[in-house]
Amino acid sequence: KQEVTQIPAALSVPEGENLVLNCSFTDSAIYNLQWFRQDPGKGLTSLLLIQSSQREQTSGRLNASLDKSSGRSTLYIAASQPGDSATYLCAVRRDFHNFNKFYFGSGTKLNVKP
Amino acid sequence: DAGVTQSPTHLIKTRGQQVTLRCSPKSGHDTVSWYQQALGQGPQFIFQYYEEEERQRGNFPDRFSGHQFPNYSSELNVNALLLGDSALYLCASSLTAGNQPQHFGDGTRLSIL
Repeated sequence: KQEVTQIPAALSVPEGENLVLNCSFTDSAIYNLQWFRQDPGKGLTSLLLIQSSQREQTSGRLNASLDKSSGRSTLYIAASQPGDSATYLCAVRRDFHNFNKFYFGSGTKLNVKP
Repeated sequence: DAGVTQSPTHLIKTRGQQVTLRCSPKSGHDTVSWYQQALGQGPQFIFQYYEEEERQRGNFPDRFSGHQFPNYSSELNVNALLLGDSALYLCASSLTAGNQPQHFGDGTRLSIL
């Protein structure tokens, strides 16, 4: 069974800092990995999707890396802003025949202080 | 282009009752998945529908059932509600093709009294 762990559970940083969120998974036979952002009481907003054959993806100030062999992914946020405050979730997809069954971590709650 | 829409946004029920939640997928998407998210936890996969059939199921009892309609919209039904069913229920849609991202709705907040 795939287990996904996110460390730390919560993080508080001053505005402008660069930061890294970590995601680890127990089974390296994944199809892809997706990072999401969730604002309080809201649904999930997709940030980045990394295919199993890729090493990283970038979107604006966000960069996600994937090391499948070690079962790790990181989400790097550059020059953090108060608007980045949210919970960040990673989810791994086991394989294509599981369609869209994702295994989620419990998230990292980020607070960026002005 | 409307994204994933869910209704209702909030719902309060009592133990033993039954509830139906609804989801309209993003335009062009044919696959719908349902997730349960307890407070402070990540979403847990309930099941997935494609071509009006349940294709995958997570570790949830038979009290949880669903349906997908020809227009790809979907319903989640929960019978004999328990206090532990209180959660945010999320619907996600995507294209069947394996490398496509999921898109989520804002969820239905279900409270059981």
